[in-house]
Amino acid sequence: DAGVTQSPTHLIKTRGQHVTLRCSPISGHKSVSWYQQVLGQGPQFIFQYYEKEERGRGNFPDRFSARQFPNYSSELNVNALLLGDSALYLCASSAAGGPTYEQYFGPGTRLTVT
Amino acid sequence: RKEVEQDPGPFNVPEGATVAFNCTYSNSASQSFFWYRQDCRKEPKLLMSVYSSGNEDGRFTAQLNRASQYISLLIRDSKLSDSATYLCVVGQRTNAGKSTFGDGTTLTVKP
Repeated sequence: DAGVTQSPTHLIKTRGQHVTLRCSPISGHKSVSWYQQVLGQGPQFIFQYYEKEERGRGNFPDRFSARQFPNYSSELNVNALLLGDSALYLCASSAAGGPTYEQYFGPGTRLTVT
Repeated sequence: RKEVEQDPGPFNVPEGATVAFNCTYSNSASQSFFWYRQDCRKEPKLLMSVYSSGNEDGRFTAQLNRASQYISLLIRDSKLSDSATYLCVVGQRTNAGKSTFGDGTTLTVKP
């Protein structure tokens, strides 16, 4: 069975630009969460979506937005990129919403902002 | 103070050693607890969920102490392949979707 997939794997953008990251969850999973991980730190929660609705939001500015589609795939959008947005962006899939379900991560998108 | 704090690493142990990691959390509304491992430049992988009664999976044992708000992970008979960063994860009842990760503890098992 296919695991969580993310695209692209690597991305280089310039300050001020916009980026869209994509995630497809494990088949049968209805929830997707997004995390940002910078070197030396644990993943920081950005959003969780379940059944196309936002279920949770972390402490990130409004430049970060996301959505979930009817097939449960998801996009994370970041506007007006800053150098500090350079990080590994991880998508996690779970069977349902809420924090009690086990999450399975994709390989991540490594974003570099120059 | 961080919501989830882990033992500062790194831990360097010989093969066959027993090693234990602790993780404390500040939010008493926390309701779910997990350990993940993360290899260098890879995604986190679920190691085990942590239940109130404690649970064991082979060489790995996880414990939860709600009164003191900490969880622990014990690794017995360490293998070279156990070398990784171990991440503690706590899920909260409020803000239903939020899971909070610790910054991880790095383990290096040496021959």
